[in-house]
Amino acid sequence: AQSVSQHNHHVILSEAASLELGCNYSYGGTVNLFWYVQYPGQHLQLLLKYFSGDPLVKGIKGFEAEFIKSKFSFNLRKPSVQWSDTAEYFCAANNAGNMLTFGGGTRLMVKP
Amino acid sequence: GAGVSQSPSNKVTEKGKDVELRCDPISGHTALYWYRQSLGQGLEFLIYFQGNSAPDKSGLPSDRFSAERTGGSVSTLTIQRTQQEDSAVYLCASRRVQETQYFGPGTRLLVL
Repeated sequence: AQSVSQHNHHVILSEAASLELGCNYSYGGTVNLFWYVQYPGQHLQLLLKYFSGDPLVKGIKGFEAEFIKSKFSFNLRKPSVQWSDTAEYFCAANNAGNMLTFGGGTRLMVKP
Repeated sequence: GAGVSQSPSNKVTEKGKDVELRCDPISGHTALYWYRQSLGQGLEFLIYFQGNSAPDKSGLPSDRFSAERTGGSVSTLTIQRTQQEDSAVYLCASRRVQETQYFGPGTRLLVL
């Protein structure tokens, strides 16, 4: 069965700390991978995506993620978080435009 | 440009009543998806429309749930005889062919 798992449900960091959120997937065939963010009171927004090519993808607001096929992972990173990064982060996957399967989400709180 | 819009933004209903939720996708987007976001279940796929093809209903939790998409644009999700466990945020997303799904703000449904 297709699945996406996020290891950290809640993360608390101080400003300027580095961030890494784990994501693992179990998917057959060619997989597309995404990270979405949901800021408080706002709707889901795309942070970054991987379809093919360079496994290190850069997204908005200084976020990046690395696709490691051998580990079935797509971890999200940011070298220095800001208070405004407080949000819930969702990893997701699909095959070629089909429905997305989401991980359980990680709530990030950044302390000023 | 305009994003995905959904209405109403909030809906409170009594157990046993029927509700209709509306989604207006981004103009020109051929695919439309409904998802549900609830505390206990996270983000779950419900139904997927692609052009004139038969919809993929594999995510609908029961036969009380149905959806239609008229003229390849607006979609309505209908929940009949609502139950308290239907309380959730119902999200709509749309995309062009093979591209990223863009999400609307959601409809927050509360069944009393």
